[in-house]
Amino acid sequence: NAGVMQNPRHLVRRRGQEARLRCSPMKGHSHVYWYRQLPEEGLKFMVYLQKENIIDESGMPKERFSAEFPKEGPSILRIQQVVRGDSAAYFCASSPGGRDEQFFGPGTRLTVL
Amino acid sequence: AQKVTQAQTEISVVEKEDVTLDCVYETRDTTYYLFWYKQPPSGELVFLIRRNSFDEQNEISGRYSWNFQKSTSSFNFTITASQVVDSAVYFCALSDPGWGKFQFGAGTQVVVTP
Repeated sequence: NAGVMQNPRHLVRRRGQEARLRCSPMKGHSHVYWYRQLPEEGLKFMVYLQKENIIDESGMPKERFSAEFPKEGPSILRIQQVVRGDSAAYFCASSPGGRDEQFFGPGTRLTVL
Repeated sequence: AQKVTQAQTEISVVEKEDVTLDCVYETRDTTYYLFWYKQPPSGELVFLIRRNSFDEQNEISGRYSWNFQKSTSSFNFTITASQVVDSAVYFCALSDPGWGKFQFGAGTQVVVTP
């Protein structure tokens, strides 16, 4: 059973470009969570999604960030017009249900030049 | 609001020494879950243990053990006879009883030298 997959593992963007981060949950998991880890800090919750629904986006910045988890395909975290402060590791986690252990992907390390 | 505090930013030990990581949490929920994750230099997050708020039984699993004290809101984690491969950042996390949103501590860097 493959674990949570994230791609790309490393992403470099210039200021003003768009970044798209993908997360494929574990088989049978319908709950996806995105977290951001700034350098030298812990993980901060961004958004929680189930298939085709955003359940909680209280941790998402108000502008430029969006997330989706379509009926088919991976969950996507999209950052428009990236700025240097967006440079971080973005982790995706999945679980079979909301109260279950979350399994984390390897993360995508975004560098904004 | 939920909060997780890991007061130790870095702990350095020599191989075979024991190391205890402190975690103090705040929550208004009566039901919640506590976790420890390990983040080695490669960057991935590795699940170590989970405890629910109704189970204060402390256990040992191999070289890992934990001490959950609800009265003091602490969930400490101990590595016995540390090894170089234990060098990593360790995160304590708290999730609410609803859908599992995690609140992470800032992490404790553990450095084990030969």
